[in-house]
Amino acid sequence: KQEVTQIPAALSVPEGENLVLNCSFTDSAIYNLQWFRQDPGKGLTSLLLIQSSQREQTSGRLNASLDKSSGRSTLYIAASQPGDSATYLCAVTYSTGNQFYFGTGTSLTVIP
Amino acid sequence: GAVVSQHPSRVICKSGTSVKIECRSLDFQATTMFWYRQFPKQSLMLMATSNEGSKATYEQGVEKDKFLINHASLTLSTLTVTSAHPEDSSFYICSARDLQGTGNTIYFGEGSWLTVV
Repeated sequence: KQEVTQIPAALSVPEGENLVLNCSFTDSAIYNLQWFRQDPGKGLTSLLLIQSSQREQTSGRLNASLDKSSGRSTLYIAASQPGDSATYLCAVTYSTGNQFYFGTGTSLTVIP
Repeated sequence: GAVVSQHPSRVICKSGTSVKIECRSLDFQATTMFWYRQFPKQSLMLMATSNEGSKATYEQGVEKDKFLINHASLTLSTLTVTSAHPEDSSFYICSARDLQGTGNTIYFGEGSWLTVV
């Protein structure tokens, strides 16, 4: 059974701080890994997609890295803002166009 | 870009009634759609894989007679929660696989919040 774990489960930081969210997966033979954002009462917003052959992806203040051999990914958020407050989910797929296995999520609160 | 639309986004129904959630691919054909649910403070879990023109494949522990899935066209899959109970209250979200374009990209719908009272 593929398991995806995210640490910490919750994180509270003051505005402006840089932070790192962690994701680990038990089966390293992934096809790709994706980071999502989920706002309370809302759906999923895709943030970054990393193919298994890639080491990192960047979008604005977000940087996601992938270490497939160790089964880990990190999401780095620079200069955090209150608007970044949300739950962040990582998910992996093991074959092209197939189901996602989601992590448990990290609930982020950025304090103004 | 490709968009997957889910409807309704929120629904409240009485215990014992049935409710239908629609998942539409708006500008691509989706032979395969996936249905997930998320209970409070838990991760999203795959419920079933919906294949156009054939029966859905359900994950272990998901009652196929309770969660009816119909994928009658290449752009629409529906999930019907039959005889809903309060414990079925959850966030349901679909995703659709686009085989065209760059190939094999999966797009997620906005999700549907079901509350059974």
